[in-house]
Amino acid sequence: GAGVSQSPSNKVTEKGKDVELRCDPISGHTALYWYRQRLGQGLEFLIYFQGNSAPDKSGLPSDRFSAERTGESVSTLTIQRTQQEDSAVYLCASSPSGRYHEQFFGPGTRLTVL
Amino acid sequence: GIQVEQSPPDLILQEGANSTLRCNFSDSVNNLQWFHQNPWGQLINLFYIPSGTKQNGRLSATTVATERYSLLYISSSQTTDSGVYFCAVAPMEYGNKLVFGAGTILRVKS
Repeated sequence: GAGVSQSPSNKVTEKGKDVELRCDPISGHTALYWYRQRLGQGLEFLIYFQGNSAPDKSGLPSDRFSAERTGESVSTLTIQRTQQEDSAVYLCASSPSGRYHEQFFGPGTRLTVL
Repeated sequence: GIQVEQSPPDLILQEGANSTLRCNFSDSVNNLQWFHQNPWGQLINLFYIPSGTKQNGRLSATTVATERYSLLYISSSQTTDSGVYFCAVAPMEYGNKLVFGAGTILRVKS
C-alpha cells in the first residue's frame, strides 16, 4: 500500500513568514509523529498524535511551532514567523498504534528560510 | 535523557567487504529501529529490533537489551549500501517517541 506522503517536498520562504507542512500517514495508522533533521544531524522529535488523545507537544522548540491532526488522517505542522534556524528537513512518521510499534517515515519537507 | 551513541562515525569500505555498526544506549528501551538514509534523504526501515536477532538478506541485526547495545551487520557490501545508518530508540519512560543517534556515514567504493 501507499507509504507516508508529505508536501511540499521543498519550501523556500523569507524570514518572518508563516509556513504549513502537510503529512498524510499510512492508512489505518493511528499514531503520527513529526521530527526535524538539521543538516548533518540525527532526527529530533517534535510532536506526537495518538488517536483522539491530546497530542504530546514536548519536543516543540518554541511557541512558534504548532501542529494539528484531523482525526486519524492528515496532519499539518505550522511554523509562524520563521527564523533562519528553522531551516531543516521536517519528517513525518506513522505507526499502527502508539505503543512500541515500528515507525515508517515519509520523504520529508526541506525548509529553507532566507 | 537517554544517550544514543553510534560507532564508528565514518566508515569507508571496498565493495564486497563486511562491516559491523554499533549502537549503545544508556537506558532501557521499548523500541529500537535501524534505518538507512539514502543520498536523497529518504529513511528506509531496516530492522525493528527491541531485542533478539533478525536477518534480511545481506543485513542482520542483534540487540542485547540487558546490556544496552545493538549491532548491525552488513555483509558483501555494495555501492548502493552507501549512506547514513541511524539507530533510534524509544526510552521506556518516553512512550514510542524515537531518540536518534548521530549516525554512521558509510561509503562503499567500487
